[in-house]
Amino acid sequence: KNEVEQSPQNLTAQEGEFITINCSYSVGISALHWLQQHPGGGIVSLFMLSSGKKKHGRLIATINIQEKHSSLHITASHPRDSAVYICASETSGSRLTFGEGTQLTVNP
Amino acid sequence: DTAVSQTPKYLVTQMGNDKSIKCEQNLGHDTMYWYKQDSKKFLKIMFSYNNKELIINETVPNRFSPKSPDKAHLNLHINSLELGDSAVYFCATGGYTGELFFGEGSRLTVL
Repeated sequence: KNEVEQSPQNLTAQEGEFITINCSYSVGISALHWLQQHPGGGIVSLFMLSSGKKKHGRLIATINIQEKHSSLHITASHPRDSAVYICASETSGSRLTFGEGTQLTVNP
Repeated sequence: DTAVSQTPKYLVTQMGNDKSIKCEQNLGHDTMYWYKQDSKKFLKIMFSYNNKELIINETVPNRFSPKSPDKAHLNLHINSLELGDSAVYFCATGGYTGELFFGEGSRLTVL
């Protein structure tokens, strides 16, 4: 059974700080997704990774397939980055297993 | 134009009632999903459909019956609602190594 663990569960940062959220999974996967959920509730896809690294603006996602580990980095964090960040592993048949989420609060 | 639209956004009902949530996607994807998010914000897959065919049924009580009339629609019908069914239900499409697109969620409250 695939387990997905995220850390930390809660993270508070000051504006401008570099942030890292970690995600570990237990079985071989076809892809790893990073999602963002704002207080309003909508869920937005940030990245889909199967290897290496992706960058979008101030967000960077990396994955190490051998170590079954992925990280989401936010550079120059801003209060509008405050949200819940969720990683999800995708296995065969498009089955997604979600981590419990990381609540990020960025203070001005 | 919203990629994945769910209705209704809010649903308040009494225990024992039957209710439905509708979902439509205009992205042309073959796969659609229903996820449940509990009070602790944990997301869990309920069902996955590929081109109208059930692919995943994740040990959901049979009071929950998904229906996919065509690959753009995946509706969720719930019979005999229980207190524990209170949650936010998200419809989504994509995956299979492509980006995921979620609906805005339907908050169900069972009194």
